[in-house]
Amino acid sequence: DSGVTQTPKHLITATGQRVTLRCSPRSGDLSVYWYQQSLDQGLQFLIQYYNGEERAKGNILERFSAQQFPDLHSELNLSSLELGDSALYFCASSVAPYSNQPQHFGDGTRLSIL
Amino acid sequence: TQLLEQSPQFLSIQEGENLTVYCNSSSVFSSLQWYRQEPGEGPVLLVTVVTGGEVKKLKRLTFQFGDARKDSSLHITAAQPGDTGLYLCAGANGANSKLTFGKGITLSVRP
Repeated sequence: DSGVTQTPKHLITATGQRVTLRCSPRSGDLSVYWYQQSLDQGLQFLIQYYNGEERAKGNILERFSAQQFPDLHSELNLSSLELGDSALYFCASSVAPYSNQPQHFGDGTRLSIL
Repeated sequence: TQLLEQSPQFLSIQEGENLTVYCNSSSVFSSLQWYRQEPGEGPVLLVTVVTGGEVKKLKRLTFQFGDARKDSSLHITAAQPGDTGLYLCAGANGANSKLTFGKGITLSVRP
């Protein structure tokens, strides 16, 4: 158990819809990362927050947004969903925001767009 | 964009065999991490290497960071079915940069 909690585990929705994925980081971790994993692209970094502030952005589409709340949990919002957004979405957390820090991953949310 | 190429993409071996897999790039990394991911779970960190030429051992797993810090290898001795999983390498160039992941190596160890 990594200590990172992601909900829901599975999400099935239709094209054009909007969903929110939730992540609770490991106790004591201030930095949260969001990743998208698909068979063809592998694990792609989307965005990072540290102590409530956006710290780094990766290949995140404009239709996607995220935030980290004062209690350090984070939400990833995906809107105007397309078939190609079907993927596993992982949240990870670390104590400090530096790249050499161990990242602890949740078990992911599997998003299926019909 | 820094790219990490992992090879082979798939590997199926018999229990007890040894194997080596690779993580290569044309870019220099300040640190490199290896993760293992099992079906239905998130990746779990195995090791972080930061010094060129560094070798780290984790039981039957031996990780090496290339002298030029552009590549890494993972050697497993006497593989066991419990080693089955997706092995991901991830590199960063600088403490404030993001991690770039390779696409992974799917290892299957048959009993």
